[in-house]
Amino acid sequence: GAVVSQHPSRVICKSGTSVKIECRSLDFQATTMFWYRQFPKQSLMLMATSNEGSKATYEQGVEKDKFLINHASLTLSTLTVTSAHPEDSSFYICSAYRDVETEAFFGQGTRLTVV
Amino acid sequence: AQSVTQLDSQVPVFEEAPVELRCNYSSSVSVYLFWYVQYPNQGLQLLLKYLSGSTLVKGINGFEAEFNKSQTSFHLRKPSVHISDTAEYFCAVTPAGAGSYQLTFGKGTKLSVIP
Repeated sequence: GAVVSQHPSRVICKSGTSVKIECRSLDFQATTMFWYRQFPKQSLMLMATSNEGSKATYEQGVEKDKFLINHASLTLSTLTVTSAHPEDSSFYICSAYRDVETEAFFGQGTRLTVV
Repeated sequence: AQSVTQLDSQVPVFEEAPVELRCNYSSSVSVYLFWYVQYPNQGLQLLLKYLSGSTLVKGINGFEAEFNKSQTSFHLRKPSVHISDTAEYFCAVTPAGAGSYQLTFGKGTKLSVIP
């Protein structure tokens, strides 16, 4: 299967700072990338959908100015959590999709802890 | 819109015993169905998927699932579990043919295999 790499796997940052998470499709060009958030012992909630070269589409309730998504190329999407606060602490997972496949492929996830 | 219900949040089972993890969905359109496994602090790995055709789908690690359209169910089964199957399992759906693979997840079922 296709490989999606997410970096970093873990990050701890101070409250008020910004953190960037990268999601790369290593061996294919991703038509679309998705960003999910997972709270402890809960399911994955879709945050936003991004297509290369266009603005991301955010789900209702997700602050687009706080969670900045950039999809500059067909192999890279980034999620920047701006002015992070402790309540932003969570597990963030990306997935990537290309239109010749019948599934989306997931990264390993990023554990963000804001202190 | 779609929704997914995983009826059991936790399922303990003895090693080498059979297991069934239940999943029901709701959708006004046809859907594709997926089962994913997540190990602690890791991303999601696809176990199996149903797109069309035979309603019995076989996946990796000895898992299988059966799509039942009349009952809107997609239960996951394994005839004999191993300790290594201890993980969180997520059922997910996406609209069939939409070409986006934006997934709606259930809340997950934690499978604990007891030696």
